[in-house]
Amino acid sequence: GMPVEQNPPALSLYEGAESGLRCNFSTTMKGVQWFQQNHRGRLITLFYLAQGTKENGRLKSTFNSKERYSTLHIKDAQLEDSGTYFCAGRIFFGDGTQLVVKP
Amino acid sequence: EAAVTQSPRNKVAVTGGKVTLSCNQTNNHNNMYWYRQDTGHGLRLIHYSYGAGSTEKGDIPDGYKASRPSQENFSLILELATPSQTSVYFCASGGPRDKTNSDYTFGSGTRLLVI
Repeated sequence: GMPVEQNPPALSLYEGAESGLRCNFSTTMKGVQWFQQNHRGRLITLFYLAQGTKENGRLKSTFNSKERYSTLHIKDAQLEDSGTYFCAGRIFFGDGTQLVVKP
Repeated sequence: EAAVTQSPRNKVAVTGGKVTLSCNQTNNHNNMYWYRQDTGHGLRLIHYSYGAGSTEKGDIPDGYKASRPSQENFSLILELATPSQTSVYFCASGGPRDKTNSDYTFGSGTRLLVI
């Protein structure tokens, strides 16, 4: 199977809502990165984790290497959070989660 | 100030022609990567490099060559472009070899249309 699987493929939230994205790995990864691709197509690094949890403003990410998964939690969603979110383990990317935040 | 610069930003090429996509990084990263992004596929790795003089095949290397003449520059070469290579290409640089997915920085992408 694919080295990296992301769920859900698409997500719609209203402003102020919160939700989580998940990334599952078919093999053990030493670390995970999360990216946001904005409406201009620009890829922006959100987090790199070798283990545990990191938080940055309204975003929080966890990585469990042993259980082979990572999550990205978005709280108090804002319109500018819309975009596609990718996770990557080593050199492999998931297919992304398309997030639409509605007013 | 962009730390990873790709050129050209947009390119139209004819089938059978040669195309060179260039990437320059000022991060002093050892690793550099070329990905293509197509609808429904996310990013797929074409070639990567651990340092000057090194090139490695990624997941989808067929039809592409790569060149890493220096720490800063990494080129992707399509010797005989085909319409199936129409895509958006992203270059990235990353940290040391033992942290192959740490500290990724992406370029802005190159939109290639092969007609």
